[in-house]
Amino acid sequence: EAQVTQNPRYLITVTGKKLTVTCSQNMNHEYMSWYRQDPGLGLRQIYYSMNVEVTDKGDVPEGYKVSRKEKRNFPLILESPSPNQTSLYFCASSINTGAGQPQHFGDGTRLSIL
Amino acid sequence: AQKVTQAQTEISVVEKEDVTLDCVYETRDTTYYLFWYKQPPSGELVFLIRRNSFDEQNEISGRYSWNFQKSTSSFNFTITASQVVDSAVYFCALSEAVTGANSKLTFGKGITLSVRP
Repeated sequence: EAQVTQNPRYLITVTGKKLTVTCSQNMNHEYMSWYRQDPGLGLRQIYYSMNVEVTDKGDVPEGYKVSRKEKRNFPLILESPSPNQTSLYFCASSINTGAGQPQHFGDGTRLSIL
Repeated sequence: AQKVTQAQTEISVVEKEDVTLDCVYETRDTTYYLFWYKQPPSGELVFLIRRNSFDEQNEISGRYSWNFQKSTSSFNFTITASQVVDSAVYFCALSEAVTGANSKLTFGKGITLSVRP
């Protein structure tokens, strides 16, 4: 089954404790991206990757890191999480950066930073 | 800069009523794509439709229909004979159409639709 898998689905942690949210897709997609969803703000892009070893900042990259060492994986790293990073996070992928390709989203990761 | 406005924040209807969700967008691009996504209470994002800026034909899929009007920069979504299972947050989104560029989706803030039995 074609899917984007995120882990964990839920996490409660404390300020400053490094964490990684994993994202894996099994569709051989080139393009991957992370979004955060906050009430009243919709979804905003954090980082994206157009292919292996090619990553770039989205609209709200502060406090986050990513890597793309393999095509299927695109982890989101919070080196020193803070309460303002409490949010619902989505990983997405599409076959390439061709115009208008629908993006497939993971089921989301709800992070609470205390 | 691209912008998507969903002016309605919450809509409540009774089952079997028709409901229209409004979406207005802004972009300087002449070529772009518009999307609708559904987020049910379980939280995942479900792709509903994609429309490119050159295709202004309305589309119907079962009880769902979409009206794209370039003249008013709108891409509205109508659910006919709504059902309780339609209760969800609905997002309209816009992306530019340049191959090789960031395929970022610019989302509206979403509309929470509640369908009461």
